[in-house]
Amino acid sequence: AQSVTQLGSHVSVSEGALVLLRCNYSSSVPPYLFWYVQYPNQGLQLLLKYTSAATLVKGINGFEAEFKKSETSFHLTKPSAHMSDAAEYFCAVSVPVSGSARQLTFGSGTQLTVLP
Amino acid sequence: EAEVAQSPRYKITEKSQAVAFWCDPISGHATLYWYRQILGQGPELLVQFQDESVVDDSQLPKDRFSAERLKGVDSTLKIQPAELGDSAMYLCASSLRRDRNYEQYFGPGTRLTVT
Repeated sequence: AQSVTQLGSHVSVSEGALVLLRCNYSSSVPPYLFWYVQYPNQGLQLLLKYTSAATLVKGINGFEAEFKKSETSFHLTKPSAHMSDAAEYFCAVSVPVSGSARQLTFGSGTQLTVLP
Repeated sequence: EAEVAQSPRYKITEKSQAVAFWCDPISGHATLYWYRQILGQGPELLVQFQDESVVDDSQLPKDRFSAERLKGVDSTLKIQPAELGDSAMYLCASSLRRDRNYEQYFGPGTRLTVT
């Protein structure tokens, strides 16, 4: 079964510091992986996705993630944190359902706090 | 930019009452998803539609939850009767395709509080 584990439910960084949010996946087939961001009382917005092309994926707002098969990881990074990056971040893996249908299975989320 | 619409944004209801949520996906998106997100957790899929047909409702508590997408466009999720444990954010998402390279677009959600 496919699943994701997000290490660290809360991460705090100073403004301007490196952001690193960790995600490890479990998948019996080549995975499709996603990072979403959620601001308070809002829906989820896609930051980036890995769909078996380049292993280093660049997303919106300066975020990027690197797919490492040997480590079964898909960590999210940003070189310099902004106050506006404070939000909850979810890693997700696409899992097959039936036929060509697929679904997303989400991790439990990491709350990012940016300190001034 | 096209968005997924949901209403209401907030709903407070008493235990044992009925409640309904509405979702209008992005035009042309064939696949529609309803998720439940408990505070502090990731979204969990309740039901997935392809056009008007249910693809997966294995996680939908069918004794009290129902979902429909009659014309393959907008959708309604109903809870009857509501229980205290149903308090959560209910998210709707849609995608153009249901296969591997799709991207799901999420609506703003409906925050349900059951008292």
